[in-house]
Amino acid sequence: GAVVSQHPSWVICKSGTSVKIECRSLDFQATTMFWYRQFPKQSLMLMATSNEGSKATYEQGVEKDKFLINHASLTLSTLTVTSAHPEDSSFYICSARRGAETQYFGPGTRLLVL
Amino acid sequence: GENVEQHPSTLSVQEGDSAVIKCTYSDSASNYFPWYKQELGKRPQLIIDIRSNVGEKKDQRIAVTLNKTAKHFSLHITETQPEDSAVYFCAAPTQGGSEKLVFGKGTKLTVNP
Repeated sequence: GAVVSQHPSWVICKSGTSVKIECRSLDFQATTMFWYRQFPKQSLMLMATSNEGSKATYEQGVEKDKFLINHASLTLSTLTVTSAHPEDSSFYICSARRGAETQYFGPGTRLLVL
Repeated sequence: GENVEQHPSTLSVQEGDSAVIKCTYSDSASNYFPWYKQELGKRPQLIIDIRSNVGEKKDQRIAVTLNKTAKHFSLHITETQPEDSAVYFCAAPTQGGSEKLVFGKGTKLTVNP
């Protein structure tokens, strides 16, 4: 199979705190992972591309200092939302690319910032 | 960059009927077209994909067709069942390669028993 896990599935935090989300490919190695954000009833919006051993590539309009990405191994990428505010509340989903093209998604993390 | 348009935004069918969702893309160099199914609150799941060297691909009740000349591809679901109810997303790679995917806005399919 191609299994991607994500942790935590739910997080509630106070405004101003930082939250780290982990994305793991469980049964394959992924040199490239992607981080998306999804608002209710909307499509997937790509935030950044995470490459193992190098700096992430951010999409236009995404603040790299706010959304820190680390891809330290072939099976793990992390997204840290720094100094979270209520407007950062959203559903964050990662995907891991297997082979040349196919992306498999994690179960997502629902973030609520109070 | 790539632009993906998806229609319709909502689709309601009776159980047993067929459902068709269509997407168009703008980059003629795009060569990979996946379809994802997302149930409420869950992850998008890859249900079928097609590459530009074929025109059609089937997997049981699901099929995808690709027209490279017209730059559109479609998802066909036959003999729909209530469990097919979900949001379906099409996607195409940006910049002709397969690094990043651009997603359509989604189609909410409802299959009525």
